[in-house]
Amino acid sequence: EIVMTQSPATLSVSPGERATLSCRASQSVSSNLAWYQQRPGQAPRLLIYGASTRATGIPARFSGSGSGTEFTLTISSLQSEDSAVYYCHQYNNWPPGNFGQGTRLEIK
Amino acid sequence: QVQLQESGPGLVKPSETLSLTCTVSGNSISSYYWNWIRQPPGKGLEWIGYIHYSGSPNYNPSLKSRATISVDTSKNQFSLRLSSVTAADTAVYYCARDLHYFASGIWGYWGQGTLVTVSS
Repeated sequence: EIVMTQSPATLSVSPGERATLSCRASQSVSSNLAWYQQRPGQAPRLLIYGASTRATGIPARFSGSGSGTEFTLTISSLQSEDSAVYYCHQYNNWPPGNFGQGTRLEIK
Repeated sequence: QVQLQESGPGLVKPSETLSLTCTVSGNSISSYYWNWIRQPPGKGLEWIGYIHYSGSPNYNPSLKSRATISVDTSKNQFSLRLSSVTAADTAVYYCARDLHYFASGIWGYWGQGTLVTVSS
């Protein structure tokens, strides 16, 4: 089983600044990596797939990078609405794929 | 606009069968792959399985054959049954649609989720 490890567990950043979230796979998942945002009390929302392709309607300040085992989600010009838990999900070994444990992003 | 809505009992007794339905609007269920995903309170996400109207469902092996997913094209719905439930099956259950026409493992559309509690 591929293990997905996200870091940090919690990140606190001021509005207008940049947040960098990491996701590491225990073995290569190529570029088969997605990022989801989950605001409190809501369903997850697809942000990024293919490691770097933004989903429809996602602002350009969300960007994804990486391949193989190391991936990054960068959110620039942070806004209060970005406060959420962010999950990475590998679908290279699909099904079943698997998620990381999540990074909680707090806006100061 | 694609919309998904879960429905079903919010409380199920241990050892019984959990049954949920997802009603799809704005998209024919006779295309795409349709998924169930769950999230225990305060924890992460777990894919349960998917179905396509024309093919066999596929399940997460972690559920040890307890899950059954079916589709009703006449109602534009698909359903989940999970047998022999325990407290560990307490979770918010989401239905979701694949982003692409094939089973990609990328979910672009989600229902709002429904909490199912397993308790006597």
